[in-house]
Amino acid sequence: EEQLVESGGGWVQPGGSLRLSCAASEFTFSTNWMSWVRQAPGKGLEWVANIKGDGSEKYYVDSVKGRFTISRDNAKNSLFLQMNSLRAEDTAVYYCARLREKVTDYYYYYLDVWGKGTTVTVSS
Amino acid sequence: DIQMTQSPSPLSASVGDRVTITCRASQTIRSCLNWYQQKPGKVPNLLIFAASNLQSGVPSRFSGSGSGTDFILTISSLQPEDFATYYCQQTYRIPYNFGQGTKLEIK
Repeated sequence: EEQLVESGGGWVQPGGSLRLSCAASEFTFSTNWMSWVRQAPGKGLEWVANIKGDGSEKYYVDSVKGRFTISRDNAKNSLFLQMNSLRAEDTAVYYCARLREKVTDYYYYYLDVWGKGTTVTVSS
Repeated sequence: DIQMTQSPSPLSASVGDRVTITCRASQTIRSCLNWYQQKPGKVPNLLIFAASNLQSGVPSRFSGSGSGTDFILTISSLQPEDFATYYCQQTYRIPYNFGQGTKLEIK
């Protein structure tokens, strides 16, 4: 069964850093786009970042640009999110998800496999 | 950025009801629209991708329609396990915004 397992969450003071990891198994990790999605307590889902299978393309939501970096290690089937200059508003459950690509008449993308999430709390 | 607006929210319904949830994009997104279900304390689950394609393993009572700016998620006959929050998401342009969610409650 295709699986994603996040780790690395925790409590950090404002201005601090954390590095999230996501271990993938039972699918060909290197050929898939991957994403991070977050959910603040009691709130909706927010897309954070995407990275292409070979790592050559990366995209971010404006609120994290310049502070967060998405990366991957295909040899280790692992996805990462380096989070710097953390703010209280970054407090959330962070999900790693596979971004599937389907090409028919156009390019369609959808998040079809999700991890259980890791909790990040930014507070003094 | 493309804004996604869902309605209604919340939505009250009974077991056996036919339910529709609407998602509107602030500009055209072709058919680049996905629907997810999330139960309390659980991980989001993909229901529909590319507006009308049922994800493998999802019951056939779920269906999606629409293109351009207006989309609908339909549940043909509500089951007890369907009471959850539903999100639409556009994947036409970065950022891949979600709607605010529609909480489907028991009437």
